[in-house]
Amino acid sequence: KAGVTQTPRYLIKTRGQQVTLSCSPISGHRSVSWYQQTPGQGLQFLFEYFSETQRNKGNFPGRFSGRQFSNSRSEMNVSTLELGDSALYLCASSLEGTSFDEQYFGPGTRLTVT
Amino acid sequence: KNEVEQSPQNLTAQEGEFITINCSYSVGISALHWLQQHPGGGIVSLFMLSSGKKKHGRLIATINIQEKHSSLHITASHPRDSAVYICAAVAGSARQLTFGSGTQLTVLP
Repeated sequence: KAGVTQTPRYLIKTRGQQVTLSCSPISGHRSVSWYQQTPGQGLQFLFEYFSETQRNKGNFPGRFSGRQFSNSRSEMNVSTLELGDSALYLCASSLEGTSFDEQYFGPGTRLTVT
Repeated sequence: KNEVEQSPQNLTAQEGEFITINCSYSVGISALHWLQQHPGGGIVSLFMLSSGKKKHGRLIATINIQEKHSSLHITASHPRDSAVYICAAVAGSARQLTFGSGTQLTVLP
């Protein structure tokens, strides 16, 4: 079974621009979660999608948004980029997204904002 | 205060040593995950615990719900175990992970 894939793997953007990141979950997984990892804040939960619906959202500003498609693929968008948005963005998929589901992480997208 | 605290932050060991990484949490949880992150960013899920103890190869994870504490043990450590180990708690009925700050483990040959 193919693992979780994320595209692109690396991205350089300028402050004020917007960016869209993509995540393809493992086949059969219906839940996709997104995380931001920075040296200062560590790993933080962004949001979780299940069956095209956002079920849970972390404490991030409205510039961070996402969506999920009918094939469970998910995208996240960051508008009006700030320098502090430079981070590794990870997505993880699981079967149903319950507390007891194992999460499978993608390789991440490293975003640099200049 | 972070809801999930890990210790130590950094750990250097000689090959073959027994290693323990600790994780304490301040909220009621439904599950606790141990993750491994290698340089480059890839994260692998090692264990999911809601009670008791789990073992996989040289890795053992335990959790004490009453004391709000979990430990990850590595027996007969090897340089390939060098990585960042992260614990993550799932609070109550929430479906989001709250992460510890991670433990950087370096095992020297």
